[in-house]
Amino acid sequence: KAGVTQTPRYLIKTRGQQVTLSCSPISGHRSVSWYQQTPGQGLQFLFEYFSETQRNKGNFPGRFSGRQFSNSRSEMNVSTLELGDSALYLCASSPGLAGGVADTQYFGPGTRLTVL
Amino acid sequence: GDSVTQMEGPVTLSEEACLTINCTYTATGYPSLFWYVQYPGEGLQLLLKATKADDKGSNKGFEATYRKETTSFHLEKGSVQVSDSAVYFCALSPSGSARQLTFGSGTQLTVLP
Repeated sequence: KAGVTQTPRYLIKTRGQQVTLSCSPISGHRSVSWYQQTPGQGLQFLFEYFSETQRNKGNFPGRFSGRQFSNSRSEMNVSTLELGDSALYLCASSPGLAGGVADTQYFGPGTRLTVL
Repeated sequence: GDSVTQMEGPVTLSEEACLTINCTYTATGYPSLFWYVQYPGEGLQLLLKATKADDKGSNKGFEATYRKETTSFHLEKGSVQVSDSAVYFCALSPSGSARQLTFGSGTQLTVLP
């Protein structure tokens, strides 16, 4: 099975711009989660989508948004970019089985966003 | 809320030395516990996991046991290799439908030949 893919791998933007990142999950996986990784804050959960619905959300401002399509592919959008948004954005997919034991999340290689 | 406390790094070992990276957690209920590894310039790879108390996860010579009484999930390996050099993250995911991983701060491991 192909793994989680993320595009683009690298992005350079300037303050005030907006950006859209894309994630294709492992075939058959219905849950997609997004994480931000920075040297200062470490790995932080952004949000999770399951069956095109946001199921869970982390503590990030409304400038960070996402969506999921019927084929489970997901995009996240950051509007009005700030310097502090420079980070590695990681996408993870999982089967998304309901209830009980949490299933395993498999990560993509990430998109490195640099805001100038 | 949930939290994971991980041993501060960096850790530098000689090849064939023993490794222990400490991890403790705070969570309600019965979370699942994970160790992920990140090589330079890459995303996270699942190393091992445990989903209930006293479970032992193992992979590639690494082991960790889910200890509910001490709320710990320490990572161990009996003999490290240069290729094990990476950053190691302990993480938990709550039970139920939420797919939200809470990570520790990561431990940089360097293994010298």
